[in-house]
Amino acid sequence: DAGVTQSPTHLIKTRGQQVTLRCSPKSGHDTVSWYQQALGQGPQFIFQYYEEEERQRGNFPDRFSGHQFPNYSSELNVNALLLGDSALYLCASSFGLGNSPLHFGNGTRLTVT
Amino acid sequence: QKEVEQDPGPLSVPEGAIVSLNCTYSNSAFQYFMWYRQYSRKGPELLMYTYSSGNKEDGRFTAQVDKSSKYISLFIRDSQPSDSATYLCAMSAGAGNNRKLIWGLGTSLAVNP
Repeated sequence: DAGVTQSPTHLIKTRGQQVTLRCSPKSGHDTVSWYQQALGQGPQFIFQYYEEEERQRGNFPDRFSGHQFPNYSSELNVNALLLGDSALYLCASSFGLGNSPLHFGNGTRLTVT
Repeated sequence: QKEVEQDPGPLSVPEGAIVSLNCTYSNSAFQYFMWYRQYSRKGPELLMYTYSSGNKEDGRFTAQVDKSSKYISLFIRDSQPSDSATYLCAMSAGAGNNRKLIWGLGTSLAVNP
């Protein structure tokens, strides 16, 4: 049973560039949420996708955008990268919009120089 | 004041000890409480998931929720070196459409052989 998979595992970008991170949910899951985790901090909610629509959004600027595909996989896009965007980006999947618990991938470590 | 407070530690205990990890929160609307374990360079792994007040036990792990005191705990019995990790509490309000988990900072635990 494949868990949540994320790619790439590591990424180095320069300020001002754009980045796309990818996530495949756990088998049987149809909802994807994205989180940003800075070093020594808990994850911060970015947004959630269900039925290819953004359903909820945290306190992140419009530079952060996403997409969900018909196969439930998802992308996170960040434009005009800032040094402060350096973090571990986590994808979590779940079933439906109820209260099924989130299952996380191992994240993408983004470094902005 | 942060919505969720968690002592970051680090906490160091000998193998076999009972470990107590705690979080306090300020939002009385929180109803769903989770504990995640995160190893270095990995995503958070769900350990315990509880609704409202009460206790839940799973093997060596026991989760307690006291909504009147806005306080949750995770107990680890017979701790093992493999339990060395960061433990994060997370919680959310309401039912259905709410995936916006609010997280603690995480407590770093080291279990020494």
